Amino acid sequence: AQTVTQSQPEMSVQEAETVTLSCTYDTSESDYYLFWYKQPPSRQMILVIRQEAYKQQNATENRFSVNFQKAAKSFSLKISDSQLGDAAMYFCAYRSGANSKLTFGKGITLSVRP
Amino acid sequence: DTGVSQDPRHKITKRGQNVTFRCDPISEHNRLYWYRQTLGQGPEFLTYFQNEAQLEKSRLLSDRFSAERPKGSFSTLEIQRTEQGDSAMYLCASSHPYRGEGTEAFFGQGTRLTVV
Repeated sequence: AQTVTQSQPEMSVQEAETVTLSCTYDTSESDYYLFWYKQPPSRQMILVIRQEAYKQQNATENRFSVNFQKAAKSFSLKISDSQLGDAAMYFCAYRSGANSKLTFGKGITLSVRP
Repeated sequence: DTGVSQDPRHKITKRGQNVTFRCDPISEHNRLYWYRQTLGQGPEFLTYFQNEAQLEKSRLLSDRFSAERPKGSFSTLEIQRTEQGDSAMYLCASSHPYRGEGTEAFFGQGTRLTVV
């Protein structure tokens, strides 16, 4: 079974600074997708960024980028120029290429200091 | 596109009562998922539908839980004889698998269930 591990329960960053959120996963599959989702307080979960395992290039979406290390099964999220609106819980998630359900990590609470 | 809608947003019920939640997916999304999220944890998969067919159920989904998706549109999740351990946020998501690989799941705001 696939597992996703987020070992840091909380992190804090100064506004305008850069922060990296860690995630590791375990799988024996070669075809899969990785995601970072953001869940603001009392609001719905939204997709931040996705990475296809077959792509060597790290995904980037504006201020958000990932460091995908396939051999190490590591998938970290870097947030540049942090903004107050980035404060939320962030979940790392895995999806098999053969199945559409998501397996989530426990999440990390990110706070942004003004 | 109004997003995934869930009703009710909050539900307080007494132990032993039955509850039913509704999810309206994004129109044209033929896949619909139910997840459960407890405090401080990530969402856990419960079940998913492709159109009206329930394709997979988690072991977390005990006999007291049943989900339906008649006509492949909205879905309901019923919990019979609720227990305090059922208190959680129940999330619904939908996706369209034919819009490219790795297509994202769109989540609703969830139904928060409190069993007293």
